Amino acid sequence: SAVISQKPSRDICQRGTSLTIQCQVDSQVTMMFWYRQQPGQSLTLIATANQGSEATYESGFVIDKFPISRPNLTFSTLTVSNMSPEDSSIYLCSVGDRGLEKLFFGSGTQLSVL
Amino acid sequence: GQQVMQIPQYQHVQEGEDFTTYCNSSTTLSNIQWYKQRPGGHPVFLIQLVKSGEVKKQKRLTFQFGEAKKNSSLHITATQTTDVGTYFCAAYRGYGNKLVFGAGTILRVKS
Repeated sequence: SAVISQKPSRDICQRGTSLTIQCQVDSQVTMMFWYRQQPGQSLTLIATANQGSEATYESGFVIDKFPISRPNLTFSTLTVSNMSPEDSSIYLCSVGDRGLEKLFFGSGTQLSVL
Repeated sequence: GQQVMQIPQYQHVQEGEDFTTYCNSSTTLSNIQWYKQRPGGHPVFLIQLVKSGEVKKQKRLTFQFGEAKKNSSLHITATQTTDVGTYFCAAYRGYGNKLVFGAGTILRVKS
């Protein structure tokens, strides 16, 4: 199993500002995934972060709004840029086991934008 | 793109009653995974089903994968208050490595 440390656990931010979420894994992993979970909703994949290459974004998500860094095999950051109240959500990082037979999730970042 | 439809959206049961949530896909799935998310928590992996017609049990939880690999179910026998949470099915989209989640079923248990 993988242990994922995600921070901050929650934040309240002002409209127009940016927040960077950090995700640290206790082992080296090839792919890291960033999900968004709006209140009472399911998980939506934002992007896949691969070390050494640009992140791959899902439909409806763009790099300018959600820039991702992946400097090494154990760490990634997701930035939510120029925030608006619609960005209020829980953001989760996750990693898969070697065969992607299961995902492990960080504890999430609950973001509220005023 | 491939989607998994999950029902019901919400179920409120008396402690001791059974509970079932269903996932359906219009396309054949290579496998299906199930996750549980406790209130205020993050999703936790429960199981993966791969084979047609597969049935797996974890104590009071029974997981099934349909013969056509287009549907799956999670059944909980004699629910307990510790079963409270949201249960998600998830499947990989196409041949890629992107796990797509169903809408989830929220389970509430009255004691």
